This record gives sequence, structure tokens and C-alpha cells, in this order.
Amino acid sequence: EVQLVESGGGLVQPGGSLRLSCAASGFTVSSNYMSWVRQAPGKGLEWVSVIYSGGSTYYADSVKGRFTISRDNSKNTLYLQMNSLRAEDTAVYYCARDSGPVGARSGGFDYWGQGTLVTVSS
Amino acid sequence: DIQMTQSPSSLSASVGDRVTITCQASQDISNYLNWYQQKPGKAPKLLIYDASNLETGVPSRFSGSGSGTDFTFTISSLQPEDIATYYCQQYDNLFTFGGGTKVEIK
Repeated sequence: EVQLVESGGGLVQPGGSLRLSCAASGFTVSSNYMSWVRQAPGKGLEWVSVIYSGGSTYYADSVKGRFTISRDNSKNTLYLQMNSLRAEDTAVYYCARDSGPVGARSGGFDYWGQGTLVTVSS
Repeated sequence: DIQMTQSPSSLSASVGDRVTITCQASQDISNYLNWYQQKPGKAPKLLIYDASNLETGVPSRFSGSGSGTDFTFTISSLQPEDIATYYCQQYDNLFTFGGGTKVEIK
């Protein structure tokens, strides 16, 4: 059974850092495209970052230069390192698996974690 | 960047009604579009991929159509369990979600 479990959220001051983890089971993280998607309180979904199976990474303009996506194949875990956090980064952060085969643009995000809340406030 | 404009932002319909949501891309995205359902407090769920393909296990009352810049998502007969917010997502160039459509029962 495919499962994604996020952790690492919490309260952090503006300018601070946080690292989110997404532990995967039932499939191999390195074999799929993996994304982070966030949702500010009462707002819509915002795609944040993707890591492709080949290791290429891409970011939304809103987080470029501040966030870093990575994975640990030995732990089958996805990460999001968030630096220079701002109030507008406050959101529930979801990790999501892309069902698309390697080489395809995407197949849709077919599995999601339960989300972890990041609150940036002094 | 590709912008996705969804409409309406909310709607109210009766059980059994046909519900239609539209999504417009700021440029041609071919059929690189997905639709998701999100219920309160839950993660989104993939319903439609490649604009018109039904994800496994999703009821056939849900459907999608369109290509290029204009897309439509339809619930043929609204059910109480369909109360949720629906999002389109382009993946022609990275990923962008539409603003969402909140569907309520009248």
C-alpha cells in the first residue's frame, strides 16, 4: 500500500528555517516524480517544488532561492528545506507522488500525504 | 508562467443537478490538465488526468473535456458526497493550480 507521511512542521519565526520530511512506503521515491504542494489557511493549492526521477529540481518563483527539495534514497524519504521563511509561507505542506511514467510530463498527483502545518510568526 | 483561471469560484446546486466548472489556461497547454477534488481537512484527490481520463475508482458521473486553452469539468448528477472544492492543474510547464471551485448543495 502506498503511503506518504509528512513531518517537521511547526511554529518558526520570520527569517528562520525548517526542514520537512515525507516518508514514503509502498513504492520507491527515486522512481517517481515527487512534488511539494502547499495550501495557506482558507486558500487554494499552490505547487511549490518538484524533483524528477533523474534528480532535476524545479521551484515556484515564490520560493526559488529559499527552498530546496531533495530525497534520501536509502531512507525512501523526500525533504523540503525551507530557509528565510516569511509570514506568507504559512500553510499546510503536502508531499505528493506523480503517477506519470519516466519521460512523461506528469500523470497526475495520485497519492498525497496528510499534510504538515508550517506557521511563520513572531 | 502559465496562469489557470477557474470559474465559477463557488456554486450551489441541487442533488441530481448537472454541474459544470471551467478552467482557462493563459496559453495553449494541449491536454496537459488534471482535475482534483478536495474535501475539508483532507488532501486533494486526483479525479481526471490528461484532461479527460477518469482515474481508476472514480465514479463515472465525473468527466472532463477540452484541449488547448479551454477545459470543462462536469458532474453529471450531483451527489451529497460531491460537496468539495475542485481544482484544475496544468502540467505543460511545471505545475499550476486553478483558484478552485467550491461546490455546495442548495
